[in-house]
Amino acid sequence: DVKVTQSSRYLVKRTGEKVFLECVQDMDHENMFWYRQDPGLGLRLIYFSYDVKMKEKGDIPEGYSVSREKKERFSLILESASTNQTSMYLCASLGRPQNSPLHFGNGTRLTVT
Amino acid sequence: SQQGEEDPQALSIQEGENATMNCSYKTSINNLQWYRQNSGRGLVHLILIRSNEREKHSGRLRVTLDTSKKSSSLLITASRAADTASYFCATVSETSGSRLTFGEGTQLTVNP
Repeated sequence: DVKVTQSSRYLVKRTGEKVFLECVQDMDHENMFWYRQDPGLGLRLIYFSYDVKMKEKGDIPEGYSVSREKKERFSLILESASTNQTSMYLCASLGRPQNSPLHFGNGTRLTVT
Repeated sequence: SQQGEEDPQALSIQEGENATMNCSYKTSINNLQWYRQNSGRGLVHLILIRSNEREKHSGRLRVTLDTSKKSSSLLITASRAADTASYFCATVSETSGSRLTFGEGTQLTVNP
């Protein structure tokens, strides 16, 4: 079974802090994704990566950056956390063929105070 | 922008009843997928239906796809309390590559 692991289930940070959310997958998947989930808004794509060192902006990239130095790890970075980034963050990976399902981690609930 | 829109937003039924959730989308798709999310957890894939398929079954799940109406439905038969969760549809459009676009989900409550 594919395993997608997010390093923290809960995180509390202060406004202005730099925040790193880590995600690791163990199935050699090429594609990895970061979503945020908010009540009434569903899942919105922040960034995705289809290969090492490659990244693409999703629908709401503002205030975020990502890093993919190794195939198995995809990091989401909040350069200067703000209260409107309080949310549930979900990482997912996707292998080949592209008509395949996403595999999600259990999420990181981030609170910015 | 959100592609899929689920209907209803919330559904409450008794154990043993069937639950039907609908999803509408706007652009042409390669496939449509349904996911389930238990409270506070990640999403789990349930079923994928390709654009050239009309119906698919998996256990107590039945998914239909009508590309002319740009809509899909998920039917859960003989529901159980353990089916209580949020259900999301997600689409892969013909032009989006591997990107999935999710709807806002339907919250299903199955009462024992």
